Amino acid sequence: DQQVKQNSPSLSVQEGRISILNCDYTNSMFDYFLWYKKYPAEGPTFLISISSIKDKNEDGRFTVFLNKSAKHLSLHIVPSQPGDSAVYFCAALSSGSARQLTFGSGTQLTVLP
Amino acid sequence: KAGVTQTPRYLIKTRGQQVTLSCSPISGHRSVSWYQQTPGQGLQFLFEYFSETQRNKGNFPGRFSGRQFSNSRSEMNVSTLELGDSALYLCASSLTGAAGNTIYFGEGSWLTVV
Repeated sequence: DQQVKQNSPSLSVQEGRISILNCDYTNSMFDYFLWYKKYPAEGPTFLISISSIKDKNEDGRFTVFLNKSAKHLSLHIVPSQPGDSAVYFCAALSSGSARQLTFGSGTQLTVLP
Repeated sequence: KAGVTQTPRYLIKTRGQQVTLSCSPISGHRSVSWYQQTPGQGLQFLFEYFSETQRNKGNFPGRFSGRQFSNSRSEMNVSTLELGDSALYLCASSLTGAAGNTIYFGEGSWLTVV
């Protein structure tokens, strides 16, 4: 049972445009969400997070939106740059088990120059 | 400040052998967790340690074990290696592991079992 889902395995975007990566979750106990960027054979790099008490968090070119009623979150990257090309993972934590990240399957973002 | 450091970065082992991987968390971080990444299963949680105690464990067989030392450094061990254990093993650290703590990952140890 996948509790965190990233239904798009890949996404291609033109440089300078907006990239929107989506994530859905089923466990209503999740209350903290993180996005990571990952290159092959390297560890995930933390990008941005959001608590369930908020619906938006922004950090530079990255914005995460959370829709609790829909159990959906999205990561917006504006403007997209070729260096953003990587696999993006959505991850979730619940207060009850805050030490265990549950990851989605990842979305390969390719930003075309 | 230094990030999460994992050693070795790459290693090759034979079926039936055992392996020990090491992780040094970010200075001041006391929670260390381990994850396995494989193409088929994605990123999966192995276990988490805090103050030398295992607080949480994922669904892996007993061949996978770990420990944490008083300086928060951690090791994980896999005994009787199987081909399916070939994976990227990632260590992550956070201040206390509480919700709201950002979790930072190391570069990983790439294990190949032949």
